[in-house]
Amino acid sequence: GEDVEQSLFLSVREGDSSVINCTYTDSSSTYLYWYKQEPGAGLQLLTYIFSNMDMKQDQRLTVLLNKKDKHLSLRIADTQTGDSAIYFCAESIKETYKYIFGTGTRLKVLA
Amino acid sequence: ETGVTQSPTHLIKTRGQQVTLRCSSQSGHNTVSWYQQALGQGPQFIFQYYREEENGRGNFPPRFSGLQFPNYSSELNVNALELDDSALYLCATSGELGNTGELFFGEGSRLTVL
Repeated sequence: GEDVEQSLFLSVREGDSSVINCTYTDSSSTYLYWYKQEPGAGLQLLTYIFSNMDMKQDQRLTVLLNKKDKHLSLRIADTQTGDSAIYFCAESIKETYKYIFGTGTRLKVLA
Repeated sequence: ETGVTQSPTHLIKTRGQQVTLRCSSQSGHNTVSWYQQALGQGPQFIFQYYREEENGRGNFPPRFSGLQFPNYSSELNVNALELDDSALYLCATSGELGNTGELFFGEGSRLTVL
């Protein structure tokens, strides 16, 4: 089956780290992605990880993938107020561009 | 900037009407996908076009149809609109299959059905 789940809300203080979690079910996923959506806007790709990797770091962003548990996480270091947005994880279905998106996690950063 | 432009940005229709949404593709991107994002939800895959042919479809009824043109721009048509069709419709383009699969999203067209 195809299902991606995320917690709905996360609140952190400015300067702290944020960790957003995601679980997925399709083991044939090729890539897993994190997208950011600000109010009234489309989706912006933050980072992605190939399914045979465990970790990827990109500046303030760290992605961890536990393929055995089908668990993906996004860590944002030194979270800023500009990071307040909805974060979606998504998996791509092998050999297509069909993405399965999670329901999104609304991150609120408190000053 | 993703180079993906959608129009109109907002529109209001009534039940039973028909709507056409448009998407212009970044140069060289021959694959276009459409997603429906209901309020408070993640985007749901509607269908995908590759080189002017439908290349995959999600769980949407036949009244959702699409076209891709030789310049890779695209249309999404929805007939017999229902209240539940109210959503943000996102177009996403990408290059050849087999690369990282990154999708470039437009800002979306927000449809309200009354």
